[in-house]
Amino acid sequence: DVKVTQSSRYLVKRTGEKVFLECVQDMDHENMFWYRQDPGLGLRLIYFSYDVKMKEKGDIPEGYSVSREKKERFSLILESASTNQTSMYLCASSLTGRPEAFFGQGTRLTVV
Amino acid sequence: GQQLNQSPQSMFIQEGEDVSMNCTSSSIFNTWLWYKQEPGEGPVLLIALYKAGELTSNGRLTAQFGITRKDSFLNISASIPSDVGIYFCAGQKTSGTYKYIFGTGTRLKVLA
Repeated sequence: DVKVTQSSRYLVKRTGEKVFLECVQDMDHENMFWYRQDPGLGLRLIYFSYDVKMKEKGDIPEGYSVSREKKERFSLILESASTNQTSMYLCASSLTGRPEAFFGQGTRLTVV
Repeated sequence: GQQLNQSPQSMFIQEGEDVSMNCTSSSIFNTWLWYKQEPGEGPVLLIALYKAGELTSNGRLTAQFGITRKDSFLNISASIPSDVGIYFCAGQKTSGTYKYIFGTGTRLKVLA
């Protein structure tokens, strides 16, 4: 079974803190994604990566950055957390040429 | 960024009833996916559709790729309590890319 693991289920951070959300997949997938999920808005793509050290902006990259130093790991970084970044964050991975994305359980981040 | 409109936003149904939901867009898509997200988990792929008019089943679930390529439909027959969750559609405009646009979700609650 494909497994996508996010390091935390719940996080509470203060405004202005630098926040790291970690994601690891164990199926050697080339592609990894970070989404944000908000009620009534569905899933919105923040960033994705199609190879180590490669990244592309999604639909809502402002206030976020990413790092992919190893194939299995994709990190989302909030440089200076703000309250409007309170949300559920979902990491996903996929194999090139296949449409299916496998998702982690999500990290519910609260910025106070 | 663009989002897909899903309808209805939420629904309560009695166990044993059939359920229908749809996803519409002003743009043409080449691939449609349907995901289910259970409480506390990430979305899991249910059905993938690749051709206009295609009808695909997965157990009690049946999905269709609309003829206009601007919509897709998901039906669940004889619903059971474990059908509870949020159902998302996702569309891909250009084959071979990694970007999917997700719908706003349909929250399903089943009354036993």
